[in-house]
Amino acid sequence: GAVVSQHPSRVICKSGTSVKIECRSLDFQATTMFWYRQFPKKSLMLMATSNEGSKATYEQGVEKDKFLINHASLTLSTLTVTSAHPEDSSFYICSARQANTEAFFGQGTRLTVV
Amino acid sequence: KQEVTQIPAALSVPEGENLVLNCSFTDSAIYNLQWFRQDPGKGLTSLLLIQSSQREQTSGRLNASLDKSSGRSTLYIAASQPGDSATYLCAVGVSGNTPLVFGKGTRLSVIA
Repeated sequence: GAVVSQHPSRVICKSGTSVKIECRSLDFQATTMFWYRQFPKKSLMLMATSNEGSKATYEQGVEKDKFLINHASLTLSTLTVTSAHPEDSSFYICSARQANTEAFFGQGTRLTVV
Repeated sequence: KQEVTQIPAALSVPEGENLVLNCSFTDSAIYNLQWFRQDPGKGLTSLLLIQSSQREQTSGRLNASLDKSSGRSTLYIAASQPGDSATYLCAVGVSGNTPLVFGKGTRLSVIA
């Protein structure tokens, strides 16, 4: 099946710094990618829809200035957590749908802000 | 607004048992339905995709069914193994290019 690669898988950063997470579709083009956040033992919470060549669409309650999304090409979307704080510590997962059908997910990124 | 519910929230079975995980959704006008597996601290692995026009899909020991009119899907796992222990997530696609709507998952433990 199609592969979505997410990097890094784990990152520890200091409070106040920014962290960038990359999501790549390796063998298909994705005009739309999705970013999710997952709290321990909870299901996925959609944060935003990333659109190639245009602004991302954020879900209610998600700060767009804090979670910057850039979808510069058909195979790459990035999520930057700016001025990270301990409460931003979480598991972040990206997803892309191949040919508007099956959805594939990245391996996830465990962010810890200390 | 589409809502997806999974029952049970957790399930523990002895190795070798056949089991069924349930998923229900409130709006029958779906595009497709997908079952995923998630291991602790990992991303999601796609198990089966059922298009709205299909009734079931099979892959190895897994069989997923879809009854759109009643808003239900089941994931059948035959001859369960300890390696099947994971959280299983059901997700509904409302259209071709929108995010999936997820259930909260069923945490499965298969005891050797």
